[in-house]
Amino acid sequence: EAEVAQSPRYKITEKSQAVAFWCDPISGHATLYWYRQILGQGPELLVQFQDESVVDDSQLPKDRFSAERLKGVDSTLKIQPAELGDSAMYLCASARGEDRRGETQYFGPGTRLLVL
Amino acid sequence: AQSVAQPEDQVNVAEGNPLTVKCTYSVSGNPYLFWYVQYPNRGLQFLLKYITGDNLVKGSYGFEAEFNKSQTSFHLKKPSALVSDSALYFCAVSRNTGFQKLVFGTGTRLLVSP
Repeated sequence: EAEVAQSPRYKITEKSQAVAFWCDPISGHATLYWYRQILGQGPELLVQFQDESVVDDSQLPKDRFSAERLKGVDSTLKIQPAELGDSAMYLCASARGEDRRGETQYFGPGTRLLVL
Repeated sequence: AQSVAQPEDQVNVAEGNPLTVKCTYSVSGNPYLFWYVQYPNRGLQFLLKYITGDNLVKGSYGFEAEFNKSQTSFHLKKPSALVSDSALYFCAVSRNTGFQKLVFGTGTRLLVSP
């Protein structure tokens, strides 16, 4: 069964350092999402791609966060500089992107970030 | 704007008993509703969804959910709980126009005791 891949699984960094997370969606999935899940809360959407285009980044803190999906396949989420409040689980999800009506999103295992 | 409420932080149930995890939603127009489960240090795993049609939706691992439009609810149910069902459960809603955007509730921890 195809899965969404993410790396690294865990990342510890110091405040003000740069960090990057990688996601490889299920093959053929046109839509890719990055979510942030703070401990004890539900995931919140950071950015959504349709192929290589950003369709929603309204909740992405653009002063320090950036995301790209250059060839419309895998994606990278970067934080620079990291702050203590960025400690969270970063989840990537993908969907076929063919039928927008109630499409199921499939999630990767996540990257747990700890900023010291 | 769309939103989801999960009024219970934790639900406790004995193995073999029926379980219910509550969810209410708010969205303009007809909703698309989802349930996901999360095990410790793992991503979210899809359980079931409601798009249209029969109000009772059956999903993975014996779970089902009932869509109630008048009460704007989408409660998750299982007739007989297993210890292995212990996990964090999230309800989510998506609008039915434009690009799909899931809005999640805060989650309900289900604890099934032997």
